Amino acid sequence: DGGITQSPKYLFRKEGQNVTLSCEQNLNHDAMYWYRQDPGQGLRLIYYSQIVNDFQKGDIAEGYSVSREKKESFPLTVTSAQKNPTAFYLCASSIEAVSSGANVLTFGAGSRLTVL
Amino acid sequence: GNSVTQMEGPVTLSEEAFLTINCTYTATGYPSLFWYVQYPGEGLQLLLKATKADDKGSNKGFEATYRKETTSFHLEKGSVQVSDSAVYFCALIGGSSNTGKLIFGQGTTLQVKP
Repeated sequence: DGGITQSPKYLFRKEGQNVTLSCEQNLNHDAMYWYRQDPGQGLRLIYYSQIVNDFQKGDIAEGYSVSREKKESFPLTVTSAQKNPTAFYLCASSIEAVSSGANVLTFGAGSRLTVL
Repeated sequence: GNSVTQMEGPVTLSEEAFLTINCTYTATGYPSLFWYVQYPGEGLQLLLKATKADDKGSNKGFEATYRKETTSFHLEKGSVQVSDSAVYFCALIGGSSNTGKLIFGQGTTLQVKP
């Protein structure tokens, strides 16, 4: 079955450590996204990529980094510069960059990061 | 800029009750509107959508009508089940100030009791 796989599902980090969250899709989608979800705040866009080897900052990119070396993969690194990293992180993809109502996002199951 | 506002939760209902979750938006032009649902411990999945004024999106007994005159896209279901317990997100994209990004509301938690 086609879909998006995020790993790990749960991750614990000590302050000052960088961590990388994996996101892999086998949907042959061009565009991929990372969102952060906090209670009562909905989803906020961290980074997105419309095509391989290209990505753009979203609304809350500070303290995060990404790469898009392969179409299938869009890993997110939460760096020590992110002051409040404890959150639920969601990866998504779409056939192309979201620009119309015909194009919808497919989400992974999420990764929950807790900073100890 | 564009924005989406949902009613605050949690919304708690008994099984077979009627559900309404309010969603209003701010945008010029004609954005496309969506409802996504997030079941416990999972990612989001598309529930329904509408791409032009007066369109009605429907799926799994849920409905929402794109009302341009009131800038609303309220989610309704005639008879909820315990399995409908989830977080529901209203979202939009497009309109005159289209950034190409999907904009989400803050989410509304629905709890259905047997």
